[in-house]
Amino acid sequence: DAKTTQPNSMESNEEEPVHLPCNHSTISGTDYIHWYRQLPSQGPEYVIHGLTSNVNNRMASLAIAEDRKSSTLILHRATLRDAAVYYCILRDVRGSTLGRLYFGRGTQLTVWP
Amino acid sequence: DTEVTQTPKHLVMGMTNKKSLKCEQHMGHRAMYWYKQKAKKPPELMFVYSYEKLSINESVPSRFSPECPNSSLLNLHLHALQPEDSALYLCASSQPGTGGNTIYFGEGSWLTVV
Repeated sequence: DAKTTQPNSMESNEEEPVHLPCNHSTISGTDYIHWYRQLPSQGPEYVIHGLTSNVNNRMASLAIAEDRKSSTLILHRATLRDAAVYYCILRDVRGSTLGRLYFGRGTQLTVWP
Repeated sequence: DTEVTQTPKHLVMGMTNKKSLKCEQHMGHRAMYWYKQKAKKPPELMFVYSYEKLSINESVPSRFSPECPNSSLLNLHLHALQPEDSALYLCASSQPGTGGNTIYFGEGSWLTVV
């Protein structure tokens, strides 16, 4: 399974943009890049996903490098509610994988008021 | 409705007990998952059901027994557990198929084995 590398922790001030990086140098052509986050004592929550092009939704933006070996999750204005562990995950449904999500260690984001 | 509902939220059981965790979704998803999460660790995949059939068992001990009675329900039967099995158990669902499908998670069931 393709693996991802993320910083263990990052900090931000409230209302500032946050850029969460993820390296996935062994990504294959059919791997989707997914981001999930997990708030304390809650289940993981979908944030955004993409394949090749940059993506935007109401929660965040996903910037994917041209060679797809890295990506960046962008929170445009961090709020205290964005404090969570953010997971960057590669997902492929070919063959026997059946769309499993394999979580790495994730990045703990701390947001200061 | 993009909700996965898990019950109970908290469960304390002895090592000789038999209990079950339940999961329900009404999004029409045909893939359902069980994950286990220990404190300060990422979730680990346990089982995957696809079209109500067990498709993946990640070498989980037989004291955990999954069941998918229909396309909306997923159970995890627990028997003769050990204290180290204490964890947050997460249910999730998605449409099978492409890697672009979103997986939706429940809030989890906190299990304590005493």
